[in-house]
Amino acid sequence: QVLLVESGGGLVKPGGSLRLSCAASGFTFSDYYMSWIRQAPGKGLEWVSYISSTSSHTNYADSVKGRFTISRDNAKNSLYLQMNNLRAEDTALYYCAREEVLVVTDYWGQGILVTVSS
Amino acid sequence: QSALTQPPSVSGSPGQSVTISCTGTSSDIGNYNRVSWYQQPPGTAPKLMIYEVNNRPSGVPDRFSGSKSGNTASLTISGLQTEDEADYYCSSFTSSSTVVFGGGTKLTVL
Repeated sequence: QVLLVESGGGLVKPGGSLRLSCAASGFTFSDYYMSWIRQAPGKGLEWVSYISSTSSHTNYADSVKGRFTISRDNAKNSLYLQMNNLRAEDTALYYCAREEVLVVTDYWGQGILVTVSS
Repeated sequence: QSALTQPPSVSGSPGQSVTISCTGTSSDIGNYNRVSWYQQPPGTAPKLMIYEVNNRPSGVPDRFSGSKSGNTASLTISGLQTEDEADYYCSSFTSSSTVVFGGGTKLTVL
């Protein structure tokens, strides 16, 4: 079965950096676009970024553009999110998700919590 | 990248029907049929319920249906059941090749 497991979250100070990872299994990872989607505590879903199956195409929400970088390693079935210059408003549960096609997010991980606080 | 507009809450009694609206612009919902709906019970990850406006993934009951008119998409749940109580989110592709979500709607089954 499809499994997405996030790791790398935690507490970081404003201005700090963190790298999230997502280990994928149960499907041919290199065939799919992948996304990061976040949810601040008690708030709604916010799309963060997506990456195409071959890494040739990426896109970002305005709120993270220039600070976050999405990448993938198809040989390792892994998705990454490098987060730099973190702000308090980046505090959220970050979901790794598979895109059947863009906007058809058919599988989600359980999420990993990132807390930005001094 | 403004969020799509959803009502904060809707409610209905078991067996009734409810409709949740999702309003965007001509740069997202109005120009693309790539509109999806997700169900998120408390403390769980979202689940895809409707994709490409009105398609249901396998396993989703046919009580759930979607539609679109102009810049507004809608999710209708008929024959409400207590297990339908959850937050519901719409999303759409945009003309900037990004993705935008709605603010979410809390469904209460009375």
